Amino acid sequence: ILNVEQSPQSLHVQEGDSTNFTCSFPSSNFYALHWYRWETAKSPEALFVMTLNGDEKKKGRISATLNTKEGYSYLYIKGSQPEDSATYLCAPQSGGSYIPTFGRGTSLIVHP
Amino acid sequence: GAGVSQSPSNKVTEKGKDVELRCDPISGHTALYWYRQSLGQGLEFLIYFQGNSAPDKSGLPSDRFSAERTGGSVSTLTIQRTQQEDSAVYLCASSSMGWLAGGQETQYFGPGTRLLVL
Repeated sequence: ILNVEQSPQSLHVQEGDSTNFTCSFPSSNFYALHWYRWETAKSPEALFVMTLNGDEKKKGRISATLNTKEGYSYLYIKGSQPEDSATYLCAPQSGGSYIPTFGRGTSLIVHP
Repeated sequence: GAGVSQSPSNKVTEKGKDVELRCDPISGHTALYWYRQSLGQGLEFLIYFQGNSAPDKSGLPSDRFSAERTGGSVSTLTIQRTQQEDSAVYLCASSSMGWLAGGQETQYFGPGTRLLVL
């Protein structure tokens, strides 16, 4: 089981603000990292799978970067909208494990 | 197509009772995972099924927890003699090939079962 830290724990922003949050994980024996979005009363939904140091992924207004050498990933949301309100989970995997370890998530609330 | 479904969506039980939670994965997915999220905690891995292989039970918190997967499809998680600390959201996920694909696959989650033990 990996030590996964997500910060901040929660975040309130105004509609139109851009925001970012962090996932930290052990840099040794890195294999992959997953980002999920979990809206209230819905199923967690996959955003990205990242595997290579320096990876950048983008999906609409949401993007993510990965630094495996220092053990962190950033998730960015540009021009936040109320529908972006959700908990964002990161889940790194170490080599030899096919089970990702989930962080506690960052809860984002976007106010109209 | 149909996603992962779970039933019941909510379950309230009394301490000491047994409960069964059901998961229907996406058709054709060989890998199935059970997780739970207790209040204020991250998603905690419970058990993993891959095809007909022996399941990875390393995450089950006690011998009161068991799970089976019949015919490589539907899975049931059983909690015997429930305790208040078992109260959590229990999530099921499936993926196409699991470790056979190198373990980097996206998992598709169900909506969860919210279990409350009084």
